[in-house]
Amino acid sequence: GQNIDQPTEMTATEGAIVQINCTYQTSGFNGLFWYQQHAGEAPTFLSYNVLDGLEEKGRFSSFLSRSKGYSYLLLKELQMKDSASYLCAVRDGGNNRLAFGKGNQVVVIP
Amino acid sequence: NAGVTQTPKFQVLKTGQSMTLQCAQDMNHEYMSWYRQDPGMGLRLIHYSVGAGITDQGEVPNGYNVSRSTTEDFPLRLLSAAPSQTSVYFCASSSIGGGQGNSPLHFGNGTRLTVT
Repeated sequence: GQNIDQPTEMTATEGAIVQINCTYQTSGFNGLFWYQQHAGEAPTFLSYNVLDGLEEKGRFSSFLSRSKGYSYLLLKELQMKDSASYLCAVRDGGNNRLAFGKGNQVVVIP
Repeated sequence: NAGVTQTPKFQVLKTGQSMTLQCAQDMNHEYMSWYRQDPGMGLRLIHYSVGAGITDQGEVPNGYNVSRSTTEDFPLRLLSAAPSQTSVYFCASSSIGGGQGNSPLHFGNGTRLTVT
């Protein structure tokens, strides 16, 4: 099975940097995804990690440590539109199912 | 390009009624899945399919049925609706494996279901 843990909510100022953590336990690991979900909308894909290290995509970066069962999403130069829930999802290598954490709500204030 | 299309967007049912939530994708994805999303619970997998004719249970399958007669369609059936099934339902699809390689899940816009 899979167990994915994320903190629930954080507030940050426009222009700042925020780090959202995700820890996971899984019987078989085959990739970790980060999604963004605005209130009342569907999740949208942000990033994917399968090997250890940092993946950078514009203002967003994601890091993975498989030995620690740990990932983080880094949001730089925060904008008001970044106010959303950020979901961590882990793919099980045995059955390829994608299990989601409960999400971390980020509120950006001026 | 339509992507993943879910219907209806909103639905109100009475306890005991049955209904089908429709999901269709036009990206030729092998993998399709249904999630429900409840406050404080995150997205929980109900059922999934890795291809036409193949379905399997997820984390919370009770009270739901699925079928996959074509690659494009993956309907979710509520057999006898209960208030506990009040939720937002998302259909999602991807290339095989639910994210094989770096192929992410593509989500529909969701169906907001209330059971009274």
